[in-house]
Amino acid sequence: GAGVSQSPRYKVAKRGQDVALRCDPISGHVSLFWYQQALGQGPEFLTYFQNEAQLDKSGLPSDRFFAERPEGSVSTLKIQRTQQEDSAVYLCASSLGRAGSNIYTYGYTFGSGTRLTVV
Amino acid sequence: AQSVAQPEDQVNVAEGNPLTVKCTYSVSGNPYLFWYVQYPNRGLQFLLKYITGDNLVKGSYGFEAEFNKSQTSFHLKKPSALVSDSALYFCAVGVYQAGTALIFGKGTTLSVSS
Repeated sequence: GAGVSQSPRYKVAKRGQDVALRCDPISGHVSLFWYQQALGQGPEFLTYFQNEAQLDKSGLPSDRFFAERPEGSVSTLKIQRTQQEDSAVYLCASSLGRAGSNIYTYGYTFGSGTRLTVV
Repeated sequence: AQSVAQPEDQVNVAEGNPLTVKCTYSVSGNPYLFWYVQYPNRGLQFLLKYITGDNLVKGSYGFEAEFNKSQTSFHLKKPSALVSDSALYFCAVGVYQAGTALIFGKGTTLSVSS
């Protein structure tokens, strides 16, 4: 597609519920990132995929967070047993570039995000 | 540790006046610097970046930024502000040796009054 698409746009979850957030990157983009943006803060890195390989998951805040990209295109971020502190906007970004190579030259394209509210 | 600071939570400027949104960074290694803008309920939109070369970088919508290595700064500027420039602005830094992720500042809200 023309841009990075994320769904749903808004998600309200009861505390303890599991949620799944979807990201459709730009076709052909090798790299895919997930960021978490809390209210009033800048985005914070969660995890990075190069094709289907999850090369960096150092930003995932707990083992309740899990991400996958099984076919190297669409990615899903799953949060188990949601807590109130998980409330945030979750941003997905993709890039034609590769980490450790030309990723900064190509830059990133961000989606509009999914706003998760845990009540 | 790598970090980015945006010292002003909010910048107010009158339409037609020049604007500056400040950004300083702290990294080990050569920095790659970016500015993004975020409108309400929207994702981040790329404005400009510094990778290498000329310290003055020109970007979208008339914005520009100057990389100053000695002051570790990358301030965003525009000669004449528009009301439509009102939004949330983020500075971000990447460091090749440190991995792939961009590190973002907390953001600065720009408010342009008519």
